[in-house]
Amino acid sequence: QQQVKQSPQSLIVQKGGISIINCAYENTAFDYFPWYQQFPGKGPALLIAIRPDVSEKKEGRFTISFNKSAKQFSLHIMDSQPGDSATYFCAASNNQGGKLIFGQGTELSVKP
Amino acid sequence: EPEVTQTPSHQVTQMGQEVILRCVPISNHLYFYWYRQILGQKVEFLVSFYNNEISEKSEIFDDQFSVERPDGSNFTLKIRSTKLEDSAMYFCASSTGGFGANVLTFGAGSRLTVL
Repeated sequence: QQQVKQSPQSLIVQKGGISIINCAYENTAFDYFPWYQQFPGKGPALLIAIRPDVSEKKEGRFTISFNKSAKQFSLHIMDSQPGDSATYFCAASNNQGGKLIFGQGTELSVKP
Repeated sequence: EPEVTQTPSHQVTQMGQEVILRCVPISNHLYFYWYRQILGQKVEFLVSFYNNEISEKSEIFDDQFSVERPDGSNFTLKIRSTKLEDSAMYFCASSTGGFGANVLTFGAGSRLTVL
């Protein structure tokens, strides 16, 4: 019940295209859903996050869509750029603490 | 921008040896964490630390592991007797903590290789 399932494992997108990464969770106590971006040799860095009281959050080219009833959330990267090539992790935590449960990660490659 | 600093960046050790990984969290942060990432796998929670004590730990964090905040700035992870399967990237993170959006800032990691 603590798991966060992420798909796809890898994704190749052409420059300018839309990248979509999906996550699903089981624990209804989760109420904070961040996405982290990780470049090789670096630690994960917060990209964007959402609380379950909204269905969508947009920051620049990055959008999180959240479906509370389905217990799913997704990251959309519009106008994908080669510089977006990285591993993306979805995560979840509950209100009581900072322990983040991470998904398996998606390796995104944006081709020029 | 404030950052979490980790040392060493890479450590190679023999199986059975003790290893200490060090972290300097962001100065006004109150919650500290260790995560690990085995090559090609997801980031896994090890332990969280608040108010000078462990607040939560995972099944991975067995008796071979310990954490300490010895001097008010450093936060260390000790592995008492390393095993081959301890080979991973270890990430320290810190946050202001509390409720709501608890934003964790991660360090660049310490790669541990156990031979």
